[in-house]
Amino acid sequence: DAGITQSPRHKVTETGTPVTLRCHQTENHRYMYWYRQDPGHGLRLIHYSYGVKDTDKGEVSDGYSVSRSKTEDFLLTLESATSSQTSVYFCAISEGQATQHFGDGTRLSIL
Amino acid sequence: AQSVTQPDIHITVSEGASLELRCNYSYGATPYLFWYVQSPGQGLQLLLKYFSGDTLVQGIKGFEAEFKRSQSSFNLRKPSVHWSDAAEYFCAVGADSSYKLIFGSGTRLLVRP
Repeated sequence: DAGITQSPRHKVTETGTPVTLRCHQTENHRYMYWYRQDPGHGLRLIHYSYGVKDTDKGEVSDGYSVSRSKTEDFLLTLESATSSQTSVYFCAISEGQATQHFGDGTRLSIL
Repeated sequence: AQSVTQPDIHITVSEGASLELRCNYSYGATPYLFWYVQSPGQGLQLLLKYFSGDTLVQGIKGFEAEFKRSQSSFNLRKPSVHWSDAAEYFCAVGADSSYKLIFGSGTRLLVRP
């Protein structure tokens, strides 16, 4: 299995609070991605990174920001969490040729 | 814009029966095509992928998929389903140099004993 660790695995927080999710990889892959998974929608891309300090928006980026200061870490931040951001969040990594490998996910509940 | 359609939300098959999960995509050129499987509470595991060449691709766990350009389809098949195959299956297309993937909404497979 690809060396991908997501933390935390579960989090419950309140509306309006900031939340940061971490994705750590040991594969030295160039590309990293954040998705959210919701029933009936499959996985939707939030943001992705194509190198250190190089990031771009995905399909559902509103309300989210990302940072990548090291190859191995990709952080997803919800500046002011809302109930609509309750979801399961997945990190993925890729080294070209589009094949992505996924972490085990973070279940985030915003009350 | 690229899109992926998985028309079946749920499919139930008996153990030992054959399986076909449908996937249709929208893209102007030859895409990269993928099938992933997700067990409850787990991440996604790659079953197989198509980039070019032979249109029938073999994957892990006895799965195969066939790329049909004329039908814009990439259906997943297995000749004999096992109870452990019960999971959710996602088709995805990757279509540009950023290697972003567009996922279908998934098909949940239930296996009857």
